[in-house]
Amino acid sequence: EVQLVESGGGLVQPGGSLRLSCVASGFTFSNSWMTWVRQAPGKGLEWVANIKEDGSVKNYLDSVEVRFTISRDNAKNSLYLQMNSLRAEDSAVYYCTRDRVCNTFDYWGQGTLVTVSS
Amino acid sequence: QSALTQPRSVSGSPGQSVTISCTGTSSDVGYYNYVSWYQQHPGKAPKLIIYDVSERPSGVPDRFSGSKSGNTASLTVSGLQAEDEADYYCCSYAARGAFGGGTKLTVL
Repeated sequence: EVQLVESGGGLVQPGGSLRLSCVASGFTFSNSWMTWVRQAPGKGLEWVANIKEDGSVKNYLDSVEVRFTISRDNAKNSLYLQMNSLRAEDSAVYYCTRDRVCNTFDYWGQGTLVTVSS
Repeated sequence: QSALTQPRSVSGSPGQSVTISCTGTSSDVGYYNYVSWYQQHPGKAPKLIIYDVSERPSGVPDRFSGSKSGNTASLTVSGLQAEDEADYYCCSYAARGAFGGGTKLTVL
């Protein structure tokens, strides 16, 4: 059974930092592009960042590029999102997803909620 | 702002068919056959229901079908059932933002 389990969300003040984690099982993580997708309350889905199988290529949403860092540890079947200088507009449920090919997201985690507020 | 345009809402009665459109450009939807559709019920994670324009993952009912013409992709839900009431998102390779803005399907 495929599982993606996110953790690390919570309440943080503007300007603060959080590190999200996602542990994968049930598929070959090391052969998969992985993507973070977020959804602000009551809003639609927003692609945030992705990373190639070996971590050599990373892409970011323009508004997060200098503040967020995506990384992975294939030995631990884990995906990460380091989020710095957080803003209120970063408040959202963050989903870890597997990109089957070319923006086709076949596996999704349950999501972890990030709230940026003073 | 999403590069893919979807209607905000559609509705239909049980047993009827509804179609949700997703309009992109000749650089994304019109060029690549990597259009996917996701169903999201309230409080749940999105679920892939169509990929590669018209393919269904295992376990997705054949009431769900996808197609594409030019720069517009479409999701058709036939034989509407109450459990089909959800938000639906399209996604395309190379589209700015990747996802459409979403469509709320209401079963009357």
